[in-house]
Amino acid sequence: DGGITQSPKYLFRKEGQNVTLSCEQNLNHDAMYWYRQDPGQGLRLIYYSQIVNDFQKGDIAEGYSVSREKKESFPLTVTSAQKNPTAFYLCASSGDRYNEKLFFGSGTQLSVL
Amino acid sequence: AQSVTQLDSHVSVSEGTPVLLRCNYSSSYSPSLFWYVQHPNKGLQLLLKYTSAATLVKGINGFEAEFKKSETSFHLTKPSAHMSDAAEYFCVVRLYSSASKIIFGSGTRLSIRP
Repeated sequence: DGGITQSPKYLFRKEGQNVTLSCEQNLNHDAMYWYRQDPGQGLRLIYYSQIVNDFQKGDIAEGYSVSREKKESFPLTVTSAQKNPTAFYLCASSGDRYNEKLFFGSGTQLSVL
Repeated sequence: AQSVTQLDSHVSVSEGTPVLLRCNYSSSYSPSLFWYVQHPNKGLQLLLKYTSAATLVKGINGFEAEFKKSETSFHLTKPSAHMSDAAEYFCVVRLYSSASKIIFGSGTRLSIRP
């Protein structure tokens, strides 16, 4: 079945540590997205990518980094510069037609030890 | 700046009464618009989307939304609320001025009173 796979489901970060969240899709989508969801808040866009080897900052990119070396993969690194990383992280992808919906992964809950 | 604003963070209605969840957008270009729903501890589900074919869009579970360009609005409605409609609702805008950026509103929590 086609879909988006995020791993791990739960992740714990120590102070000063960088951690990487994995996102893989087999939907042949060009566009991929990372969102952060905090309790009682909406989804805030961290980074997005329209095509391989290209990505753009979203509204809250500080303290995060991404890469897009393959069409199927869009990993997110939460760096030590992100002072409040505890949140639920969602990866999504979409076709490139203007009215295509988002497909979501099951998410990663990141907590700070 | 391009953005999406959900005007109410929480809406409470009685079962069987109409539902109105308000959404306004700001965009230099004609956007694509969506409504998603997230039930407690569940993933996001697409309710409906605006495709420019018709200004009144019908979605799942009896929901519909009307695109009003003059008011830059895309409000979500349902004639009669059901207990199962209790959830978080997100208005979403897809912007084509910058490489397919998709942004979410802050969400509206819908509560249904028996």
